Amino acid sequence: GDSVTQMEGPVTLSEEAFLTINCTYTATGYPSLFWYVQYPGEGLQLLLKATKADDKGSNKGFEATYRKETTSFHLEKGSVQVSDSAVYFCALMGASTGNQFYFGTGTSLTVIP
Amino acid sequence: GAVVSQHPSRVICKSGTSVKIECRSLDFQATTMFWYRQFPKQSLMLMATSNEGSKATYEQGVEKDKFLINHASLTLSTLTVTSAHPEDSSFYICSAVEGGRDEQYFGPGTRLTVT
Repeated sequence: GDSVTQMEGPVTLSEEAFLTINCTYTATGYPSLFWYVQYPGEGLQLLLKATKADDKGSNKGFEATYRKETTSFHLEKGSVQVSDSAVYFCALMGASTGNQFYFGTGTSLTVIP
Repeated sequence: GAVVSQHPSRVICKSGTSVKIECRSLDFQATTMFWYRQFPKQSLMLMATSNEGSKATYEQGVEKDKFLINHASLTLSTLTVTSAHPEDSSFYICSAVEGGRDEQYFGPGTRLTVT
């Protein structure tokens, strides 16, 4: 079945460091891919998404490219800020699963000044 | 953008009582709503899928008689935790899908504590 494997955390970075959070997926067909962010005590917010191969989603300095050849959707940011501290979830929506999402386990990011 | 609200945001109840959590889509009609449960420092676990006007579809291992879901309108779904126990304490999150779109909009979550 469809699934998402996400880099385990926690990840601690200094401000302005480069961030990569790895995400790979298993799915039949052509799923849509998402990154969500969850701040402490809050629900999930969509960070970015990509719906087809080679699409690049971007938002707030974060980017991720849908790589079908490597079945990956790694999240990157060139210069993290303290305010980026949160938990990041990679997710996919299968092409034939009726809007059902499959989430990765989440990666906790802490950015220190 | 699409907004999904949940009420209440936090609730504390005594063991054996029932608690109702509401999930509303504020500016769109949600043909499908999902209910998730999130344990501390863990990912979201899908509990059930709710389609307006029909019975919810529960994931394996989720007790349908304990977690009652009602999706009575295109903007409202409710989750009732019946005869709550301390092990039901968790963060419950709903999401909603607008008809014909592929994006889920998440509510802010409800923190349930059963004493």
